[in-house]
Amino acid sequence: TQLLEQSPQFLSIQEGENLTVYCNSSSVFSSLQWYRQEPGEGPVLLVTVVTGGEVKKLKRLTFQFGDARKDSSLHITAAQPGDTGLYLCAGELTGGGNKLTFGTGTQLKVEL
Amino acid sequence: GAVVSQHPSRVICKSGTSVKIECRSLDFQATTMFWYRQFPKQSLMLMATSNEGSKATYEQGVEKDKFLINHASLTLSTLTVTSAHPEDSSFYICSARDRDNTEAFFGQGTRLTVV
Repeated sequence: TQLLEQSPQFLSIQEGENLTVYCNSSSVFSSLQWYRQEPGEGPVLLVTVVTGGEVKKLKRLTFQFGDARKDSSLHITAAQPGDTGLYLCAGELTGGGNKLTFGTGTQLKVEL
Repeated sequence: GAVVSQHPSRVICKSGTSVKIECRSLDFQATTMFWYRQFPKQSLMLMATSNEGSKATYEQGVEKDKFLINHASLTLSTLTVTSAHPEDSSFYICSARDRDNTEAFFGQGTRLTVV
């Protein structure tokens, strides 16, 4: 059983559309990160959230950490083909040391 | 940001042979390094955590005698896949954290194909 479940698993949309990716768990995380990964490369950090209820914006990307620090969401406004990639949430469990547990992943494809 | 370099980026080996993958932190001291494997279209699965100078801690289900991890210096960790089999074919990724335990920096990954 995966600790961090992401939904949807796959998403194919047209350029200009908005989308939201969810990352859910029954466990509490001291921090949560979102990454984007291109094929054949390592993941690249987009954002880190640490406070329950925290909202962070990165250009067209908005990240939210749930009040109870068990879930998070990533919202992309006006998606572009360059947003295509595998989006991964990853969290550090409270009291779990400094290792990251990755979510199941969301494969996003943005078409012209 | 800090740079973590993995080598090789791609390797093909024959079944039964061993393969070593290197992970180097280029501009910081990596007190902790992590090794992940990733199958196509799937997420990263943590294999083991290694702290410099001590034995690696393996995740449940990961064979420590098959996946040998060495973290002998603050800038280098190696993963050796021993007696490789086709089912070991995967994308292996390392990440590193410094003493301040801030952001985890990822290598570019190694595509291992066992034939």
